[in-house]
Parts: sequence; C-alpha cells; structure tokens
Amino acid sequence: AQSVTQPDIHITVSEGASLELRCNYSYGATPYLFWYVQSPGQGLQLLLKYFSGDTLVQGIKGFEAEFKRSQSSFNLRKPSVHWSDAAEYFCAVGSSYNTDKLIFGTGTRLQVFP
Amino acid sequence: DAMVIQNPRYQVTQFGKPVTLSCSQTLNHNVMYWYQQKSSQAPKLLFHYYDKDFNNEADTPDNFQSRRPNTSFCFLDIRSPGLGDAAMYLCATSRDGRQGHQPQHFGDGTRLSIL
Repeated sequence: AQSVTQPDIHITVSEGASLELRCNYSYGATPYLFWYVQSPGQGLQLLLKYFSGDTLVQGIKGFEAEFKRSQSSFNLRKPSVHWSDAAEYFCAVGSSYNTDKLIFGTGTRLQVFP
Repeated sequence: DAMVIQNPRYQVTQFGKPVTLSCSQTLNHNVMYWYQQKSSQAPKLLFHYYDKDFNNEADTPDNFQSRRPNTSFCFLDIRSPGLGDAAMYLCATSRDGRQGHQPQHFGDGTRLSIL
C-alpha cells in the first residue's frame, strides 16, 4: 500500500544550524510530493511541491527539498534555521488512486534552541 | 487575500449535543476537504467534495456528516459528539486533480472540546 514515512518524530537544532528533515515514500510511478508546515494552533501551510522536472525544488521561507527517485526520498532542507521555524512538518504524497487526495506522513516536530 | 476561513476557532460542546463547524473559501476551488487531527498526529481525511459530489472515507464514522450548499461554503456536522471526537478539525480546498495532484490550502482549524 502507498505510504509516507517520516522517520524522525522530534528534532532539536540550534538557531543558525542547518536542518534536514527526512521523508520516504512508496509509490509506483512518478509521485507528486509536498511539504507542509504547521505552527501550533494553526492549519497547514504549503512549503513546496514537486511534480516533475528539476529534482531540487525551492520553497518559501528559505526551504528546499530534493527528490531522489533511487532512494524514494524527498528530504526537506534549510541551511540556517531561525527560531520561528519551530513547528510540525508534514511530508505528503498524492494518492495513486485518487488525484484529489493526499497521503500524509506522521510529521516531524522541530524544536529550535537559541 | 484569498483564503480558507474556519469558524469558530474554538468550539466547546457537551457530550451528545450536535455541533456544526463551518468553512468558507474565496479561492473558488471546486474541491473541499474535512480533516480530523488529534494531538501530535497527521491529519486524517474524513471526506471531501468534488463540486457537489460527496466522497466519504470508508472509516469515517456515521456520526460525522457534511453539507456543501454552494462552492464557497462547507459544513461539518457531528450528530452526537463523544469524548473521542475532541480534536482539531481542518478544512482545506484545492483545484481538481484532473491535471494531476494539486496543493491543498488549509484553514486555521477549529479546535473542538467535549464536556
């Protein structure tokens, strides 16, 4: 069955440090991939998406993600984390049987220390 | 700004007392979704509308119903809330996926508490 795995439940980094959040998916064809961020008490905000083309995609707030088909991964990166980046991050893949549905990973909670 | 608006942000209801959550959008998207999100979990899709076509998830309890009177509005009705229904409820919209999956745009959610 189709799935998205975010292996890290909780990550802590210092402000100014680099960040990489992992996401692995299972999908037979070329996937549609998304990263969302959720601040406490708020809805999900789209950071970036990958459909095709250049495997390194740029998003908002200085985030980028790289699609690696050979590793079935779509990891999210940021070179220098800000305290305001503390939030929950969700990776999602478009469902293979319904183009109106997404399958979400379980999320990674990012904590940033000053 | 075009957006997805959920009202109220916080809702308290009594065990077994029907409650309605509302969602409106100015994006003119033809797909609208309702998700349930419990603490430290991923959003769980309850159902979605493709225009007026209602699509229920197989594991959504009968206690949860939805109405979409027009493109802009969608409602979530919980007929007899139980303690296990306390959660954040998220509404989202998207363009239809005929050209491939589209990003979903989320509201800020309604946090439902059950007394």
